[in-house]
Amino acid sequence: SQQGEEDPQALSIQEGENATMNCSYKTSINNLQWYRQNSGRGLVHLILIRSNEREKHSGRLRVTLDTSKKSSSLLITASRAADTASYFCATGGSNDYKLSFGAGTTVTVRA
Amino acid sequence: DAGVIQSPRHEVTEMGQEVTLRCKPISGHDYLFWYRQTMMRGLELLIYFNNNVPIDDSGMPEDRFSAKMPNASFSTLKIQPSEPRDSAVYFCASSFGQGYNEQFFGPGTRLTVL
Repeated sequence: SQQGEEDPQALSIQEGENATMNCSYKTSINNLQWYRQNSGRGLVHLILIRSNEREKHSGRLRVTLDTSKKSSSLLITASRAADTASYFCATGGSNDYKLSFGAGTTVTVRA
Repeated sequence: DAGVIQSPRHEVTEMGQEVTLRCKPISGHDYLFWYRQTMMRGLELLIYFNNNVPIDDSGMPEDRFSAKMPNASFSTLKIQPSEPRDSAVYFCASSFGQGYNEQFFGPGTRLTVL
């Protein structure tokens, strides 16, 4: 079953704009990860944020985590055509090493 | 390193046939995961191994599915007999170390059961 739910389902932006997507989850987590999937390819890990962290940066990516609201956001700044992909959040619980993936946000960056 | 290798990349078979998907994890990784991705159900974890031992197979949909990891560099996912509803993209992923770490995904096998 899917733990994380991404919002919006789809996003279309102009190159150079920022893209923000959100992930909500239901149960307590150990960590939350974001992955990117280009069409027809496997998933690529972007960033991991632990439950005791509030914000993390990696290049043009910024991730926030609010455990009180059970939500996370992924911000991609200064988007590029190459950022066109589906983005998934994945939550890891406290008792095992399984990840539960959301349905994903499809991002289209227009040139 | 070549990354996680999966074969075949595409498989088309007829209902009732046996299907075997293969995975070679990244050398040195001690966790291996099998996922299935469909439009309807998204990405689902089927089973995962630690040091070649199956740890959790609660995601395996039914007895027609089985997975093995005979050694640290090879795993198989078998479906016997296959059904049209098994059509999906199957991913293998591996990771290293205790705890939650980055999972490295293979390119996937697109299975079509006619």
